[in-house]
Amino acid sequence: AQSVTQLGSHVSVSEGALVLLRCNYSSSVPPYLFWYVQYPNQGLQLLLKYTTGATLVKGINGFEAEFKKSETSFHLTKPSAHMSDAAEYFCAVSELLANFGNEKLTFGTGTRLTIIP
Amino acid sequence: NAGVTQTPKFRILKIGQSMTLQCTQDMNHNYMYWYRQDPGMGLKLIYYSVGAGITDKGEVPNGYNVSRSTTEDFPLRLELAAPSQTSVYFCASSYGGSNTEAFFGQGTRLTVV
Repeated sequence: AQSVTQLGSHVSVSEGALVLLRCNYSSSVPPYLFWYVQYPNQGLQLLLKYTTGATLVKGINGFEAEFKKSETSFHLTKPSAHMSDAAEYFCAVSELLANFGNEKLTFGTGTRLTIIP
Repeated sequence: NAGVTQTPKFRILKIGQSMTLQCTQDMNHNYMYWYRQDPGMGLKLIYYSVGAGITDKGEVPNGYNVSRSTTEDFPLRLELAAPSQTSVYFCASSYGGSNTEAFFGQGTRLTVV
């Protein structure tokens, strides 16, 4: 089974500073990778995804992530943090479901991002 | 523009009671999922469905049941509620396929006392 590891359950950065949220995955086949964001008391929404092609993926709200196969990583970055970025972020990998051939998302444990004014 | 709608948003159950969490989507997605979210644990898949009449177990199905009689609806049934089922439950849907986006409802916060 595939798995996802998010390093750091809590990350704090100053407003205007670089945001770096780490994600490593394990997979025996080329994966599809996702970052989701969860604002307080809301469901998850997609930030960005990597399927094939360009390894640097741009998402909403100025976030981007780079797929590095050699490092099995998919770290999320944003050059300049904004107060509105405070949320929980989840990395996910697509995994084949045994019975029907569909693929499900396996989530990491999440990283809570706090922005310091 | 409803997307995925879950009801109720909050519920307190006593041990041994049962209830149904409702989920409906208006995007004509074939694939629907139920996850539970526990602090520090990420999201765990409870059950999923790939179309009306087709369901299967996920990682943590014990204590739950589902049905899928229509494309739109995917209710989750808790029988004999236990404190271990205290969690936040999310329903999601997707068009299908490995690289498609999953759309999530706003969640149901369930407490079993």
